[in-house]
Amino acid sequence: QKEVEQDPGPLSVPEGAIVSLNCTYSNSAFQYFMWYRQYSRKGPELLMYTYSSGNKEDGRFTAQVDKSSKYISLFIRDSQPSDSATYLCAMSARAGANSKLTFGKGITLSVRP
Amino acid sequence: GAGVSQSPSNKVTEKGKDVELRCDPISGHTALYWYRQSLGQGLEFLIYFQGNSAPDKSGLPSDRFSAERTGGSVSTLTIQRTQQEDSAVYLCASSFSGIYGYTFGSGTRLTVV
Repeated sequence: QKEVEQDPGPLSVPEGAIVSLNCTYSNSAFQYFMWYRQYSRKGPELLMYTYSSGNKEDGRFTAQVDKSSKYISLFIRDSQPSDSATYLCAMSARAGANSKLTFGKGITLSVRP
Repeated sequence: GAGVSQSPSNKVTEKGKDVELRCDPISGHTALYWYRQSLGQGLEFLIYFQGNSAPDKSGLPSDRFSAERTGGSVSTLTIQRTQQEDSAVYLCASSFSGIYGYTFGSGTRLTVV
Protein backbone atom coordinates (compact mmCIF):
# COMPACT_ATOMS: atom_id res chain seq x y z
CA GLN A 1 0.00 0.00 0.00
CA LYS A 2 1.31 3.44 -0.93
CA GLU A 3 1.63 5.96 1.89
CA VAL A 4 -0.71 8.38 0.09
CA GLU A 5 -3.62 7.31 -2.11
CA GLN A 6 -5.50 9.71 -4.33
CA ASP A 7 -8.53 9.09 -6.55
CA PRO A 8 -7.05 8.61 -10.04
CA GLY A 9 -9.68 10.46 -12.09
CA PRO A 10 -9.83 12.12 -14.52
CA LEU A 11 -12.72 14.28 -13.38
CA SER A 12 -14.88 16.43 -15.65
CA VAL A 13 -17.47 18.85 -14.27
CA PRO A 14 -19.58 21.71 -15.67
CA GLU A 15 -18.69 25.28 -14.82
CA GLY A 16 -20.16 26.33 -11.49
CA ALA A 17 -20.10 22.83 -9.98
CA ILE A 18 -18.73 22.02 -6.54
CA VAL A 19 -15.70 19.76 -6.81
CA SER A 20 -14.48 17.41 -4.10
CA LEU A 21 -10.97 15.98 -4.29
CA ASN A 22 -9.77 13.45 -1.73
CA CYS A 23 -6.69 11.65 -0.46
CA THR A 24 -6.16 8.99 2.16
CA TYR A 25 -2.91 8.18 3.89
CA SER A 26 -1.46 5.49 6.09
CA ASN A 27 1.39 7.24 7.96
CA SER A 28 0.03 8.56 11.24
CA ALA A 29 3.14 10.76 11.63
CA PHE A 30 1.90 13.09 8.89
CA GLN A 31 0.83 16.40 10.41
CA TYR A 32 1.26 18.90 7.58
CA PHE A 33 -1.05 18.69 4.61
CA MET A 34 -0.94 20.54 1.34
CA TRP A 35 -2.72 20.75 -1.98
CA TYR A 36 -0.78 21.63 -5.10
CA ARG A 37 -2.15 22.66 -8.47
CA GLN A 38 -0.22 21.82 -11.61
CA TYR A 39 -1.02 23.23 -15.02
CA SER A 40 0.10 21.38 -18.13
CA ARG A 41 3.86 21.52 -18.69
CA LYS A 42 4.38 23.53 -15.49
CA GLY A 43 5.66 22.70 -12.03
CA PRO A 44 3.23 22.24 -9.12
CA GLU A 45 2.31 25.37 -7.17
CA LEU A 46 1.09 25.44 -3.58
CA LEU A 47 -2.63 26.08 -3.36
CA MET A 48 -3.59 25.38 0.25
CA TYR A 49 -1.95 24.08 3.39
CA THR A 50 -3.24 22.98 6.78
CA TYR A 51 -1.72 21.71 9.98
CA SER A 52 -3.26 18.77 11.83
CA SER A 53 -7.04 18.35 11.74
CA GLY A 54 -9.55 21.00 10.80
CA ASN A 55 -10.74 23.19 7.99
CA LYS A 56 -9.17 26.09 6.15
CA GLU A 57 -10.94 28.32 3.65
CA ASP A 58 -9.42 30.59 1.03
CA GLY A 59 -11.85 32.13 -1.41
CA ARG A 60 -13.52 29.36 -3.39
CA PHE A 61 -11.22 26.70 -1.91
CA THR A 62 -11.66 24.78 1.35
CA ALA A 63 -9.18 22.22 2.67
CA GLN A 64 -10.28 19.69 5.28
CA VAL A 65 -8.19 17.29 7.29
CA ASP A 66 -9.56 14.41 9.39
CA LYS A 67 -6.56 12.82 11.08
CA SER A 68 -8.69 10.23 12.88
CA SER A 69 -9.75 8.84 9.49
CA LYS A 70 -6.45 9.70 7.75
CA TYR A 71 -8.46 11.52 5.11
CA ILE A 72 -8.01 14.94 3.52
CA SER A 73 -10.20 16.81 1.07
CA LEU A 74 -10.12 19.86 -1.14
CA PHE A 75 -13.41 21.49 -2.11
CA ILE A 76 -13.69 23.94 -4.98
CA ARG A 77 -16.89 26.00 -5.10
CA ASP A 78 -18.23 27.68 -8.24
CA SER A 79 -15.61 25.91 -10.34
CA GLN A 80 -14.22 27.83 -13.31
CA PRO A 81 -12.57 26.66 -16.55
CA SER A 82 -9.35 28.21 -15.21
CA ASP A 83 -9.45 25.59 -12.42
CA SER A 84 -8.75 22.91 -15.03
CA ALA A 85 -5.45 21.41 -13.90
CA THR A 86 -3.96 18.45 -12.05
CA TYR A 87 -4.38 18.58 -8.28
CA LEU A 88 -1.92 16.79 -6.04
CA CYS A 89 -2.17 16.25 -2.32
CA ALA A 90 1.08 16.26 -0.36
CA MET A 91 1.95 15.69 3.26
CA SER A 92 4.86 15.65 5.67
CA ALA A 93 5.64 14.68 9.23
CA ARG A 94 7.73 17.82 9.76
CA ALA A 95 7.67 21.40 8.56
CA GLY A 96 11.34 22.37 8.54
CA ALA A 97 13.42 22.97 5.44
CA ASN A 98 14.84 19.45 5.67
CA SER A 99 11.43 17.84 5.36
CA LYS A 100 10.37 15.80 2.36
CA LEU A 101 6.90 15.86 0.94
CA THR A 102 5.04 12.67 0.08
CA PHE A 103 2.66 13.22 -2.83
CA GLY A 104 -0.44 11.52 -4.12
CA LYS A 105 -0.55 10.57 -7.79
CA GLY A 106 -2.68 13.57 -8.70
CA ILE A 107 -6.09 13.93 -10.29
CA THR A 108 -6.74 15.81 -13.51
CA LEU A 109 -9.76 18.11 -13.32
CA SER A 110 -11.49 19.54 -16.36
CA VAL A 111 -14.14 22.25 -15.91
CA ARG A 112 -16.38 22.53 -18.98
CA PRO A 113 -17.66 26.02 -19.89
CA GLY B 1 15.42 35.23 -12.28
CA ALA B 2 12.52 35.14 -9.89
CA GLY B 3 11.77 31.45 -10.15
CA VAL B 4 13.45 28.05 -10.26
CA SER B 5 14.99 27.49 -13.67
CA GLN B 6 15.52 24.04 -15.15
CA SER B 7 17.31 23.10 -18.34
CA PRO B 8 16.84 21.63 -20.79
CA SER B 9 13.05 21.73 -20.83
CA ASN B 10 12.98 18.66 -23.05
CA LYS B 11 15.59 15.97 -23.64
CA VAL B 12 15.40 12.96 -25.92
CA THR B 13 18.23 10.49 -25.53
CA GLU B 14 19.10 7.03 -26.70
CA LYS B 15 19.05 4.12 -24.30
CA GLY B 16 22.46 3.67 -22.71
CA LYS B 17 23.54 7.31 -22.99
CA ASP B 18 24.26 9.57 -20.01
CA VAL B 19 22.24 12.74 -19.40
CA GLU B 20 22.69 15.79 -17.18
CA LEU B 21 19.79 17.87 -15.95
CA ARG B 22 20.36 21.30 -14.47
CA CYS B 23 18.53 23.25 -11.79
CA ASP B 24 19.06 26.92 -10.87
CA PRO B 25 17.25 27.53 -7.56
CA ILE B 26 15.92 30.82 -6.30
CA SER B 27 18.75 32.92 -4.93
CA GLY B 28 19.06 32.53 -1.17
CA HIS B 29 17.10 29.29 -0.98
CA THR B 30 19.18 26.90 1.07
CA ALA B 31 17.15 23.74 0.42
CA LEU B 32 16.99 22.08 -2.99
CA TYR B 33 15.00 18.98 -3.91
CA TRP B 34 14.75 16.74 -6.95
CA TYR B 35 11.54 14.85 -7.65
CA ARG B 36 10.54 12.59 -10.54
CA GLN B 37 7.04 12.61 -12.00
CA SER B 38 6.22 9.55 -14.06
CA LEU B 39 2.97 9.06 -15.92
CA GLY B 40 0.34 7.98 -13.43
CA GLN B 41 2.83 7.77 -10.57
CA GLY B 42 2.76 11.19 -8.95
CA LEU B 43 5.88 12.88 -7.62
CA GLU B 44 8.62 10.63 -6.30
CA PHE B 45 11.34 12.10 -4.06
CA LEU B 46 14.88 11.59 -5.35
CA ILE B 47 17.41 13.68 -3.41
CA TYR B 48 17.59 16.68 -1.09
CA PHE B 49 20.36 19.23 -0.43
CA GLN B 50 20.40 21.57 2.58
CA GLY B 51 23.22 24.08 2.88
CA ASN B 52 26.56 22.38 3.51
CA SER B 53 25.02 19.26 5.04
CA ALA B 54 25.41 15.84 3.46
CA PRO B 55 22.61 15.32 0.91
CA ASP B 56 19.72 12.96 1.61
CA LYS B 57 20.03 10.46 -1.26
CA SER B 58 17.46 8.02 0.06
CA GLY B 59 15.13 8.40 -2.92
CA LEU B 60 17.61 7.70 -5.71
CA PRO B 61 16.29 4.57 -7.48
CA SER B 62 19.67 3.11 -8.47
CA ASP B 63 23.38 3.85 -8.54
CA ARG B 64 22.95 5.13 -12.09
CA PHE B 65 21.50 8.28 -10.55
CA SER B 66 23.66 10.91 -8.87
CA ALA B 67 23.39 14.61 -8.10
CA GLU B 68 25.59 17.39 -6.92
CA ARG B 69 25.09 20.94 -5.83
CA THR B 70 27.97 23.31 -6.36
CA GLY B 71 28.54 26.33 -4.14
CA GLY B 72 25.17 25.87 -2.49
CA SER B 73 23.42 27.01 -5.64
CA VAL B 74 23.15 25.22 -8.99
CA SER B 75 22.44 21.50 -8.95
CA THR B 76 22.99 18.85 -11.60
CA LEU B 77 21.19 15.50 -11.69
CA THR B 78 23.08 12.91 -13.73
CA ILE B 79 21.60 9.68 -15.03
CA GLN B 80 24.10 7.21 -16.42
CA ARG B 81 23.30 4.48 -18.94
CA THR B 82 19.73 5.66 -19.32
CA GLN B 83 16.92 3.10 -19.53
CA GLN B 84 13.44 3.48 -20.97
CA GLU B 85 11.94 3.40 -17.47
CA ASP B 86 13.88 6.60 -16.71
CA SER B 87 11.51 8.49 -19.03
CA ALA B 88 9.70 11.01 -16.84
CA VAL B 89 9.53 14.67 -15.90
CA TYR B 90 12.30 15.60 -13.49
CA LEU B 91 11.27 18.45 -11.21
CA CYS B 92 13.50 20.59 -9.06
CA ALA B 93 12.25 22.66 -6.13
CA SER B 94 13.96 25.05 -3.78
CA SER B 95 12.89 26.37 -0.41
CA PHE B 96 14.00 28.89 2.20
CA SER B 97 11.23 28.43 4.72
CA GLY B 98 10.45 24.75 4.90
CA ILE B 99 7.71 22.71 3.32
CA TYR B 100 5.33 25.62 2.79
CA GLY B 101 7.94 27.49 0.80
CA TYR B 102 8.62 24.98 -1.96
CA THR B 103 8.92 26.60 -5.39
CA PHE B 104 9.06 24.15 -8.28
CA GLY B 105 10.63 24.64 -11.67
CA SER B 106 8.77 23.64 -14.82
CA GLY B 107 10.78 20.45 -15.06
CA THR B 108 12.84 18.61 -17.65
CA ARG B 109 10.86 16.12 -19.74
CA LEU B 110 13.21 13.20 -20.39
CA THR B 111 12.40 10.66 -23.07
CA VAL B 112 14.64 7.62 -23.50
CA VAL B 113 14.23 5.92 -26.88
